[in-house]
Amino acid sequence: QVQLQQWGAGLLKPSETLSLTCATYGGSFTDYYWTWIRQSPGKGLEWIGEINYTGNTNYNPSLESRVTMSVDRSKNQFSLKLRSVTAADTAIYYCARPRGLGATAFGYWGQGTPVTVSS
Amino acid sequence: QSALTQPASVSGSPGQSITISCTGTNSDVGAYNYVSWYQYHPGNAPKLMIYDVTNRPSGVPDRFSGSKSGNTASLTISGLQGEDEADYYCSSFTTSSTLVFGGGTKLTVL
Repeated sequence: QVQLQQWGAGLLKPSETLSLTCATYGGSFTDYYWTWIRQSPGKGLEWIGEINYTGNTNYNPSLESRVTMSVDRSKNQFSLKLRSVTAADTAIYYCARPRGLGATAFGYWGQGTPVTVSS
Repeated sequence: QSALTQPASVSGSPGQSITISCTGTNSDVGAYNYVSWYQYHPGNAPKLMIYDVTNRPSGVPDRFSGSKSGNTASLTISGLQGEDEADYYCSSFTTSSTLVFGGGTKLTVL
C-alpha cells in the first residue's frame, strides 16, 4: 500500500526559505516522478514541479527561479525548497505520486502541509 | 504557462446532470489525451476522479465521466448527489513536459 507522509515548517517570514520533505512507503521509489503541488485560496491548485530518483527535475516556469527539489534514495524521500517566500506562497503544500507507470494523474497524495508566510 | 480555464462555479439539483468545462490550448489539452479531473474538499487531499480524459479509477462512481473535443475537456456528473458538492480541478500534461491545472470550479448541489 502506497503512503506519502510529509512534514516541514508551517510558519515563515517573508524572504525565508520554505522546506518540506515527503517520505514514501510501499511501491517503487525508482519508477516514478515525485511531485509537489500547492493549493491556495486565490489560485487553486498549482503544479510546482517533479523529481525522479536520479535527481532529474521539471519545474513550473513561474517558480523555477526559486525552487529546488532533491531526493534521498537511501530513505525513499524527496524534498522541496522554495526561496524568498512572500505572502503569495501561503498555501497548503502536497506531495504526490502518479497513479501508475508513465501516468500524469496523481493517485497518491500526502496529507498536506499548511504553510503561512507572514511578518 | 497559463492555467486552464474553468467556470468559477456551477450548480445543480439532486438527480440532475452538470458539466464542467476545461479549456486549454494546442500545447496542453489539445496536444495529448492526458487530462485529469480532481475533486477537492478543503482540508482533504485532492481525489482523482478521471484520468487520461475518460478513465475512472476504481471506486469512482460511473456517474462521473470525462470527454474532450479539441482544446476543451469536460467533466460530467450525472445523478447529482449532495456528496458531490466540492471544488473540481482539471489538469493537463503540456508539450513542455510540465503540468498545468485549471483555476477550479465550485460545484453547489442545490
